[in-house]
Amino acid sequence: GAGVSQTPSNKVTEKGKYVELRCDPISGHTALYWYRQSLGQGPEFLIYFQGTGAADDSGLPNDRFFAVRPEGSVSTLKIQRTERGDSAVYLCASSLSTVTGELFFGEGSRLTVL
Amino acid sequence: AQRVTQPEKLLSVFKGAPVELKCNYSYSGSPELFWYVQYSRQRLQLLLRHISRESIKGFTADLNKGETSFHLKKPFAQEEDSAMYYCALRVTDKLIFGTGTRLQVFP
Repeated sequence: GAGVSQTPSNKVTEKGKYVELRCDPISGHTALYWYRQSLGQGPEFLIYFQGTGAADDSGLPNDRFFAVRPEGSVSTLKIQRTERGDSAVYLCASSLSTVTGELFFGEGSRLTVL
Repeated sequence: AQRVTQPEKLLSVFKGAPVELKCNYSYSGSPELFWYVQYSRQRLQLLLRHISRESIKGFTADLNKGETSFHLKKPFAQEEDSAMYYCALRVTDKLIFGTGTRLQVFP
């Protein structure tokens, strides 16, 4: 595909459950970002990968959140013991180069925790 | 602390009127600023960056370091400009976004 692909587009889960959100970046983009967007807010930075390694994970709110990118392409955001406050749209973005500041965003995964 | 402030949640204008979406930032280093836009049912996308000093879709934005501002302007708004607009600040290799301003352009 031409753009960043995120699955699932919608996920409804119960409090306490485990969730995985997947991001497939644009081919050749080495930088990959996860953001979280709550209602009425702007995108909030979570974590950034350069290749396979997490270059900056300072935005992860707590240790229930974890992300991987084992082969430097697809990334998975993992949330353990979900809480109602985790409900948000999780956005993934990729970039060919961090120099330009141009991020290409996916459509997001809307997570609802009941 | 690094911060981006967009004081207006909603800005409503009529077609043909001038538009200014406000953005202020807080950053101790040399700032790099961007405007991103999200049209209805579309993805968030880059509109313009201050380094390029470009005009995209008639929009311009000037970095004012004295006022720590990066306001987005367009002299004559069009209905197709209706969207959510986010100002963003680069901090190392990530972007910090403001809370966004919804622009509504009425016919």
